[in-house]
Amino acid sequence: AQSVTQLGSHVSVSEGALVLLRCNYSSSVPPYLFWYVQYPNQGLQLLLKYTSAATLVKGINGFEAEFKKSETSFHLTKPSAHMSDAAEYFCAVTRWGGNEKLTFGTGTRLTIIP
Amino acid sequence: EAQVTQNPRYLITVTGKKLTVTCSQNMNHEYMSWYRQDPGLGLRQIYYSMNVEVTDKGDVPEGYKVSRKEKRNFPLILESPSPNQTSLYFCASSPGGLETQYFGPGTRLLVL
Repeated sequence: AQSVTQLGSHVSVSEGALVLLRCNYSSSVPPYLFWYVQYPNQGLQLLLKYTSAATLVKGINGFEAEFKKSETSFHLTKPSAHMSDAAEYFCAVTRWGGNEKLTFGTGTRLTIIP
Repeated sequence: EAQVTQNPRYLITVTGKKLTVTCSQNMNHEYMSWYRQDPGLGLRQIYYSMNVEVTDKGDVPEGYKVSRKEKRNFPLILESPSPNQTSLYFCASSPGGLETQYFGPGTRLLVL
């Protein structure tokens, strides 16, 4: 079985501050990991994904995430928050050899303080 | 334009009245999936399809049916809707099960 835990359902940061959204995964085989973003009243769009190549993955809008096998983590970061980053962020996991199910975390709502 | 479309976008219905939410993609993707999104629970997979005539249950399939008769369409059927199926539903497609999924705009369903 696979699962994802996102620590913190709500995170607030000041504009210009570091954004750190936490994601820990559980998978019995090497995982594929994704971060999706959902802006208000919209569907989800991909921010970045890890597919067993480089452990540091760069995505759109200045976001990046680092795969750490020893910590079973895939935290999302951005050096400097912008007002337009306010959204809900979802971490998700799938894996080879399984049934290609994509399992999402419960989401983290990011608020940017002016 | 490459996209996933869902219809209707908003639907209010009553308990027990059969309904279908359509999903169509124009990217020739093999993999399609349905999710429901509920506050505090994130997205949960209802059903997915690896290809035409191949479907499988996700994490919350009870009360739902799907079919995949053609590659581009993947309708979600609620034969007898109940209030606990009030939710925001998303359809998604991807070239394969392990690839990036592209999401539709969502269908907000209220069952009275």
